[in-house]
Amino acid sequence: GAVVSQHPSRVICKSGTSVKIECRSLDFQATTMFWYRQFPKQSLMLMATSNEGSKATYEQGVEKDKFLINHASLTLSTLTVTSAHPEDSSFYICSASGRAPGYTFGSGTRLTVV
Amino acid sequence: AQSVAQPEDQVNVAEGNPLTVKCTYSVSGNPYLFWYVQYPNRGLQFLLKYITGDNLVKGSYGFEAEFNKSQTSFHLKKPSALVSDSALYFCAVRDNGDTGGFKTIFGAGTRLFVKA
Repeated sequence: GAVVSQHPSRVICKSGTSVKIECRSLDFQATTMFWYRQFPKQSLMLMATSNEGSKATYEQGVEKDKFLINHASLTLSTLTVTSAHPEDSSFYICSASGRAPGYTFGSGTRLTVV
Repeated sequence: AQSVAQPEDQVNVAEGNPLTVKCTYSVSGNPYLFWYVQYPNRGLQFLLKYITGDNLVKGSYGFEAEFNKSQTSFHLKKPSALVSDSALYFCAVRDNGDTGGFKTIFGAGTRLFVKA
């Protein structure tokens, strides 16, 4: 079945630094990738949708300069949290969709900004 | 304002019995509706979505959901629950925002416990 690999699974960074999270589709071409954020109280937020080779579409209220998304190939999308602050600490999840219906999710990245 | 509500924090059901996880929403236009499930050892998974067409949507693992426009609901159902269905379920609604941008709202989640 379709597999999405998300890396790293955990990252701790200092306030003010940038962190990059990778999302790879291992056995299918992901024409569309999605990035989510899961808050401590368990509610999810869709941050943005990215199509290969084009700029990401951000949901209302998501700072595009803060959360940089690149989808340069059909198997890789990256989320960069720029100038991270403690309030950016969260669980970030990606998902990908290709020709088959449905979405495949990565295992998530726990970001802690200290 | 756009919103989605999952009125039950937790649902308990016996294995073999039908299950329902409730979701109601409020949007300004026509909604896109989704159900996701988060298993403890398998991460988040997509179950089903409603965009247009038949009000009854069938999804993965035997789940289905019915779009009810008059009641603004999209309840998740399964005729016969399995212990392995125990997980955290999220409902989500996507709408064209007032300013023209899309916004997807997730419910707070409902934890389903299925007892053997």
